[in-house]
Amino acid sequence: AQTVTQSQPEMSVQEAETVTLSCTYDTSESDYYLFWYKQPPSRQMILVIRQEAYKQQNATENRFSVNFQKAAKSFSLKISDSQLGDAAMYFCAYLTSGSRLTFGEGTQLTVNP
Amino acid sequence: GAGVSQTPSNKVTEKGKYVELRCDPISGHTALYWYRQSLGQGPEFLIYFQGTGAADDSGLPNDRFFAVRPEGSVSTLKIQRTERGDSAVYLCASSLGTTGELFFGEGSRLTVL
Repeated sequence: AQTVTQSQPEMSVQEAETVTLSCTYDTSESDYYLFWYKQPPSRQMILVIRQEAYKQQNATENRFSVNFQKAAKSFSLKISDSQLGDAAMYFCAYLTSGSRLTFGEGTQLTVNP
Repeated sequence: GAGVSQTPSNKVTEKGKYVELRCDPISGHTALYWYRQSLGQGPEFLIYFQGTGAADDSGLPNDRFFAVRPEGSVSTLKIQRTERGDSAVYLCASSLGTTGELFFGEGSRLTVL
């Protein structure tokens, strides 16, 4: 079974600084998708960024970028120029071919003014 | 509507009662997912529909849990003989395909006393 591990239950960053959230996963498949979702106190999960495993180029969305290391099964999220609105729970997720999205335990990010 | 709608937002019930949670997906989305999120944890997969049929119900914890999607749009998650351990936020998501972005609702918080 696929598993997703986020080893940092909590992280904090100063406003305007950069923070990196870690994620590792375990799979025997070669074709899959990886995601980072953000969950603010409103509970609604919001997609931050997505990476296709067959693409070597790391995905980037404005201030958000990933470091995808397929051989190491690592998928970290870097947030640059952190803003107060970035404070939330962040979940790493893995999508199998059968469309079951598997989530990690989450990292609570605090942004300090 | 513009997004995934879930009702009720909050539900408090007594142990042993029957509960229904409703999800109205984004119009045109053929895939619909139910997840359960306990406090401080990542969402756990329950069931996935493609159209009217359950494509994968392997995440349902036991036979007290059942979900339907009779017309391929609105889905209802039904929980019989509720137990205190069923207390959680139940998240619904929909998507156009099987490898694209999942759009989540704000969840239904179930509390079993």
